Amino acid sequence: DAGVTQSPTHLIKTRGQHVTLRCSPISGHKSVSWYQQVLGQGPQFIFQYYEKEERGRGNFPDRFSARQFPNYSSELNVNALLLGDSALYLCASSSTDMNTEAFFGQGTRLTVV
Amino acid sequence: EDKVVQSPLSLVVHEGDTVTLNCSYEVTNFRSLLWYKQEKKAPTFLFMLTSSGIEKKSGRLSSILDKKELFSILNITATQTGDSAIYLCAVLRFNDMRFGAGTRLTVKP
Repeated sequence: DAGVTQSPTHLIKTRGQHVTLRCSPISGHKSVSWYQQVLGQGPQFIFQYYEKEERGRGNFPDRFSARQFPNYSSELNVNALLLGDSALYLCASSSTDMNTEAFFGQGTRLTVV
Repeated sequence: EDKVVQSPLSLVVHEGDTVTLNCSYEVTNFRSLLWYKQEKKAPTFLFMLTSSGIEKKSGRLSSILDKKELFSILNITATQTGDSAIYLCAVLRFNDMRFGAGTRLTVKP
């Protein structure tokens, strides 16, 4: 069984640009969460989606948005990129909306220059 | 404000040593506490603890939760160089996990 897959693995963008990150959860998992991990810190919660509905949102500006598709894959969008958005973006999937054991993808390393 | 604090932040040991990593928390809507190992990118799941006082074991790793004192420990016995990683503690709330900053463990041969 494939684990959580994220694409792309690396990305370099310029300030002010827009970026879309993608995540496919483990087969059968209906919950997808997004986390931002800045170097030297633990992951910070951005969004959780379950059954295509937003179930939770972290303390991030409106420039961050996400959605979940009927096949449970998900996209994270970030507009008007800032240098401070440079980070590892992690996607986690779990089988229920209670977020029991969440399994992480390899992440997308975003660098904003 | 909810917080999860891990200590130490960094630890260097030699192969064969035993280490104890600490995680304390002050979190509303606590559901469970999880430990992850992060080597390069993807944190890999180690344990989920929901009940106090019940030790979970997996090989040389073990963990226990104290819900009264609001902390958890992760023990690694007979450490190996492959244990070198960042160990993350996270508290599961209703819709998200609140992570600590992690403990960077380095095991020298």
